[in-house]
Amino acid sequence: QVQLVESGGGVVQPGRSLRLSCAASGFTFISHGMHWVRQAPGKGLEWVAVIWYDGSNKYYAESVKGRFTISRDNSKNMVSLQMNSLRAEDTAIYYCARDGCSGNNCYSGANWIDPWGQGTLVTVSS
Amino acid sequence: DIQLTQSPSSLSASVGDRVTITCQASQDISIHLNWYQQKPGKAPKLLIHDASNLETGVPSRFSGSGSGTDFTFTISSLQPEDRATYYCQQHHNRPLTFGGGTKVEIK
Repeated sequence: QVQLVESGGGVVQPGRSLRLSCAASGFTFISHGMHWVRQAPGKGLEWVAVIWYDGSNKYYAESVKGRFTISRDNSKNMVSLQMNSLRAEDTAIYYCARDGCSGNNCYSGANWIDPWGQGTLVTVSS
Repeated sequence: DIQLTQSPSSLSASVGDRVTITCQASQDISIHLNWYQQKPGKAPKLLIHDASNLETGVPSRFSGSGSGTDFTFTISSLQPEDRATYYCQQHHNRPLTFGGGTKVEIK
């Protein structure tokens, strides 16, 4: 079955960096785009970033552009999120998730999101 | 960015009731609208993609409809296990955006 397992969360001081990783299994990784979505405590969902199936395109939410970088290693079935210059407002559960569409009939490289990992908590605090 | 306005933000209904949630987009998004269920302490789960396509394994009491700017999500007969927060999400344009969520409680 499809599995997405995040790691790398923790407590970090404002201005510092953190790198999240996501190990994927149970599907053809190179066929799907991958997303990061976050959820601040008690709040709704906020899309963070997407990377195309082949890594050729990357897009970010305005709130993280220039600070976060999404990447993938198709040889290891891994996707990562490098987070720099962290702020208190970046505190959230970060979910790794697969783009639900693959193949030539997809509207774009970023579609519905399915499935999601269990999430990893990032707390930015001094 | 495309804004998605969900209503209501919360509701309480009895087992067996029909529940309807609406999602209004700030511009035409065709059918590029998806629905998720999130239970407390869990990751979201996709229920419906492209407005009305029910995911495999999702009970048929869940349904979605709409196109353009106005969309509806319906639970035809509410069950105790449907207690959750439901979100709409558009993929017509980047950035992907979510509605604010609708918390469904059981009376």
